[in-house]
Amino acid sequence: QKEVEQNSGPLSVPEGAIASLNCTYSDRGSQSFFWYRQYSGKSPELIMFIYSNGDKEDGRFTAQLNKASQYVSLLIRDSQPSDSATYLCAVNLYTGNQFYFGTGTSLTVIP
Amino acid sequence: DVKVTQSSRYLVKRTGEKVFLECVQDMDHENMFWYRQDPGLGLRLIYFSYDVKMKEKGDIPEGYSVSREKKERFSLILESASTNQTSMYLCASSLVQGNTEAFFGQGTRLTVV
Repeated sequence: QKEVEQNSGPLSVPEGAIASLNCTYSDRGSQSFFWYRQYSGKSPELIMFIYSNGDKEDGRFTAQLNKASQYVSLLIRDSQPSDSATYLCAVNLYTGNQFYFGTGTSLTVIP
Repeated sequence: DVKVTQSSRYLVKRTGEKVFLECVQDMDHENMFWYRQDPGLGLRLIYFSYDVKMKEKGDIPEGYSVSREKKERFSLILESASTNQTSMYLCASSLVQGNTEAFFGQGTRLTVV
């Protein structure tokens, strides 16, 4: 049973549009939620984390968390070609200190 | 600046060889992790460690072992490499308390021939 589910995509959006990436998780004990960006051949790098229900904004990125629905999303506004990458959703159960990752969503921003 | 360093970026080994992948972090993190990443399967946890000499199996520990003799170093060992262990291996570390992110090394692309 997968802990974290993501739509694998690929997702394509035109430059300047909003890209919406979604993630669901199965364990209600999940405490913290992370979005990583991974360029081809590189290691994942953290974009944002969120712990509380609601929205969290950082520049062009907004993370949204709904614990009741066990759903977390990432919105990228004014998408740029440099945003083209695979986006990984991760959750941490806190008690086990393990990070569970989704399989990632591939995003392509078309100039 | 936060740093997790893996000993090799690319590695080619023969079937049956014993392979060591080394990972060092300079952030005084308690937790360290080894993942492998394969297309369509995402990041899968092999082993993790929350303290020196402590280890816990992840989702796919078969064919692997680990060693953590010092806090900053976490080694992944392939006892007898096989072709199905060809993969990208990623080391990560984090603080022990919750609500903190994992930091990744640059990855090791291992090919077993």
